[in-house]
Amino acid sequence: EPEVTQTPSHQVTQMGQEVILRCVPISNHLYFYWYRQILGQKVEFLVSFYNNEISEKSEIFDDQFSVERPDGSNFTLKIRSTKLEDSAMYFCASSRRDRDGYTFGSGTRLTVV
Amino acid sequence: QKEVEQNSGPLSVPEGAIASLNCTYSDRGSQSFFWYRQYSGKSPELIMSIYSNGDKEDGRFTAQLNKASQYVSLLIRDSQPSDSATYLCAVGLSGYSTLTFGKGTMLLVSP
Repeated sequence: EPEVTQTPSHQVTQMGQEVILRCVPISNHLYFYWYRQILGQKVEFLVSFYNNEISEKSEIFDDQFSVERPDGSNFTLKIRSTKLEDSAMYFCASSRRDRDGYTFGSGTRLTVV
Repeated sequence: QKEVEQNSGPLSVPEGAIASLNCTYSDRGSQSFFWYRQYSGKSPELIMSIYSNGDKEDGRFTAQLNKASQYVSLLIRDSQPSDSATYLCAVGLSGYSTLTFGKGTMLLVSP
């Protein structure tokens, strides 16, 4: 079964530092997403990416965040100047077609201290 | 604000019973509907998708959609302790390709 791979599984960072979360989507999927889930809260949309550009982004996805697809397989989320409230589980997801259900990666637990 | 609402639970059912999970959504133009299962500390796992009014069955799972009532449900037949998890309803709202998730309903299946 194809899967979405995320690294690292857990990252601890000092407040104010930059972090890069990495994802390898399923190879024949065309739509890529980042979501986050703060402990005990719902899964929240951050950004979607299609055809090498951002297709949608939420209010959460401000100038602190950026995404890249640096090569044909990786999809990254960069968080600059991290804050305590950025502590969450960050999920990468992909889908083959628009309006398909997503396959989620196993997530990166980000802890900002 | 376009919302997806679920009862947070927990919903407790005995092993072998039918579990019924419900979800309502506010955007009448929503086009796609999904149920995900999330075990504690894990990522959401897609279990059902439904796009048209009516029922869709897959093994022990049945998804039901009523667009007029803006209501989608998930039935789990012959519930097993391994079904104990949080079930997330996700809706593709009109005008967006992304999914909006509800907070989830925790299901507890007792042996």
